Amino acid sequence: DGGITQSPKYLFRKEGQNVTLSCEQNLNHDAMYWYRQDPGQGLRLIYYSQIVNDFQKGDIAEGYSVSREKKESFPLTVTSAQKNPTAFYLCASSMLPQGPQETQYFGPGTRLLVL
Amino acid sequence: QKEVEQNSGPLSVPEGAIASLNCTYSDRGSQSFFWYRQYSGKSPELIMSIYSNGDKEDGRFTAQLNKASQYVSLLIRDSQPSDSATYLCAVNRVTDKLIFGTGTRLQVFP
Repeated sequence: DGGITQSPKYLFRKEGQNVTLSCEQNLNHDAMYWYRQDPGQGLRLIYYSQIVNDFQKGDIAEGYSVSREKKESFPLTVTSAQKNPTAFYLCASSMLPQGPQETQYFGPGTRLLVL
Repeated sequence: QKEVEQNSGPLSVPEGAIASLNCTYSDRGSQSFFWYRQYSGKSPELIMSIYSNGDKEDGRFTAQLNKASQYVSLLIRDSQPSDSATYLCAVNRVTDKLIFGTGTRLQVFP
C-alpha cells in the first residue's frame, strides 16, 4: 500500500523539550515538505527537501529542524526555541523536485499539544 | 494583500444544489492551481488541479481558471452532505512553492 505515514497521531510536549515528528513515504517521491496549520489559517511551509541530504527553509523555519538522510524519510524536530508549537503538522511529498505542475500529497498529520 | 485569498464562509447550500467556491491570487506569474478538500481533523486531499485558462471537469467537480483576472474557482454540482468540508485553494508561485489560502468552509444541508 503506497502512501505517506506520519507518527505519532498526537504528541505532547513539555516545556523546554525537543520532540521529533516522523514522516515516511513509499511513493518513491523525491521532494518532501513540512507544513504547519493553525486554526483559521492556511498551511504554512516550515521546511522542504528536494533531494537526499539537502533541505531549505520555508516561511516559518525558526524553532524547527529537519534532516533528509534517506529518500523515504523526512523527520521534523520541534525545538524548545519554538515558543508556540501547538498546531497540526502536515507532511507532504511530490514526485519531482522541480516543475510547477508537481502535485503534493499529504500524510494524515500529527497534532502537537503543549502540556 | 494576501497572496491567496478565499472567503472563509461558511458557504451553506442545500443538497442537490451547485456550490461555487472562489479563490483569488496576487502573483501574476503563478502557473499551477490546486483545490484540496479537508475534513475536520483530517489532512488535505487533492480534488483538482488546473494549469490553463478555462474549465476542467472531473465528475461533479469543475475547476475554472482565469489568469487575466487572477481567480480560480471550484464548482460542485449536485452537492451532497458528504461534501461538507473546508476547501483549500493552493497556488504554485514561480519559486515553485505552494501557497495556500485559509480555506472556505462548505456546509451542505439535507
